[in-house]
Amino acid sequence: QVQLVESGGGVVQPGRSLRLSCAASGFTFNNYGMHWVRQAPGKGLEWVAVIWYDGSNKYYADSVKGRFTISRDNSKNTLYLQMDSLRAEDTAVYYCARCYYLDRSSTPDYWGQGTLVTVSS
Amino acid sequence: DVVMTQSPLSLPVTLGQPASISCRSSQSLVYSDGDTYLNWFQQRPGQSPRRLIYKVSNRDSGVPDRFSGSGSGTDFTLKISRVEAEDVGVYYCMQGTHWPPWTFGQGTKVEIK
Repeated sequence: QVQLVESGGGVVQPGRSLRLSCAASGFTFNNYGMHWVRQAPGKGLEWVAVIWYDGSNKYYADSVKGRFTISRDNSKNTLYLQMDSLRAEDTAVYYCARCYYLDRSSTPDYWGQGTLVTVSS
Repeated sequence: DVVMTQSPLSLPVTLGQPASISCRSSQSLVYSDGDTYLNWFQQRPGQSPRRLIYKVSNRDSGVPDRFSGSGSGTDFTLKISRVEAEDVGVYYCMQGTHWPPWTFGQGTKVEIK
């Protein structure tokens, strides 16, 4: 069955870095683009970044542009999010989600369970 | 960026009764290919989001047929024909026509009266 398992969350001080991972299984990873979407405590969903199935394109939300970097390793079926210069407002549960490469809208169709990132001194 | 506006934000419903959630976009979601990329997600308490509906009215695999989506242009609706206890949660609309960014509505919390 499809599985997306995020890891790497934790408590980090403002200004520091953290790298999240998302391990995929149960489907052909290199046929899917991958998103990161976050949810601040008690709040709604906010799209963060996307990477194309082959890594050829990447897009970021304005709120993280220049600080976060999305990447993937198709040989390891793993997605990453490198988060630098973290701020308190980055505190959220971070979900990875897949989108089929032939879907023009790149809509996330399956989500992981999320990993919590807390930015606090 | 396309702004998605949902209403109501809170929806108390009696078990077995219908429920309806509205979603409006700040610009038309019709793409040049003729498709409209409006999706609905369900997030049950303590769980990750699950896609229910894609391209306005297409149910994902395993989604009960009591869920239906409709609408066009900038106005969309998610309906639950008869609310069951397992439908409690927050529902989000999301547009995939004008990206980046992919944008969500604020969410509508469905609870049982």
